[in-house]
Amino acid sequence: GNSVTQMEGPVTLSEEAFLTINCTYTATGYPSLFWYVQYPGEGLQLLLKATKADDKGSNKGFEATYRKETTSFHLEKGSVQVSDSAVYFCALSDLLDQGGKLIFGQGTELSVKP
Amino acid sequence: GAVVSQHPSRVICKSGTSVKIECRSLDFQATTMFWYRQFPKQSLMLMATSNEGSKATYEQGVEKDKFLINHASLTLSTLTVTSAHPEDSSFYICSARVAGQNQETQYFGPGTRLLVL
Repeated sequence: GNSVTQMEGPVTLSEEAFLTINCTYTATGYPSLFWYVQYPGEGLQLLLKATKADDKGSNKGFEATYRKETTSFHLEKGSVQVSDSAVYFCALSDLLDQGGKLIFGQGTELSVKP
Repeated sequence: GAVVSQHPSRVICKSGTSVKIECRSLDFQATTMFWYRQFPKQSLMLMATSNEGSKATYEQGVEKDKFLINHASLTLSTLTVTSAHPEDSSFYICSARVAGQNQETQYFGPGTRLLVL
């Protein structure tokens, strides 16, 4: 079945550092890929998405490119801020498989220090 | 746009009582809503898929008689935890798909923290 694997956290960075959170997936079809962010005590917010190979999703300085050849969707940001501290979830969804249920990775906690 | 609300945000109840959690799509219609459960420092676990006007589809291992789901309108789904016990204490999150558009994107509510004493 489909699955998502994220790098383990917590990830601790200094402000203005470069961020990469790795995400790889396994899918039998052609899924859409997502990054969601969860701030402490809150629900999930859609950060960015990509629906087909080579698409790049971007939002708030974050980027991720759908790489079919490496089955990856790594999240990057050039200069993190303290306010980026949160848990980041990579996820996939395939309408033709299980009706488009979201399959989540285990989440990666990011802590940015001033 | 695409805002989902949940009510209450936090609830404390006694063991044996029932608790109802509401999930509303505020600015769009949602034919499908999802209910998740999240334990501390863990990922989200899908409990059930709720379709407007029909019975919910529960994931394996989720007790349908304990977690009652009603999706009575295109903007409201409710989750009732019946005869709650301390092990039901958790963070419950709902999400919704925008009807008729980009069916794969889900928008999440802020979550409801349930504590059963």
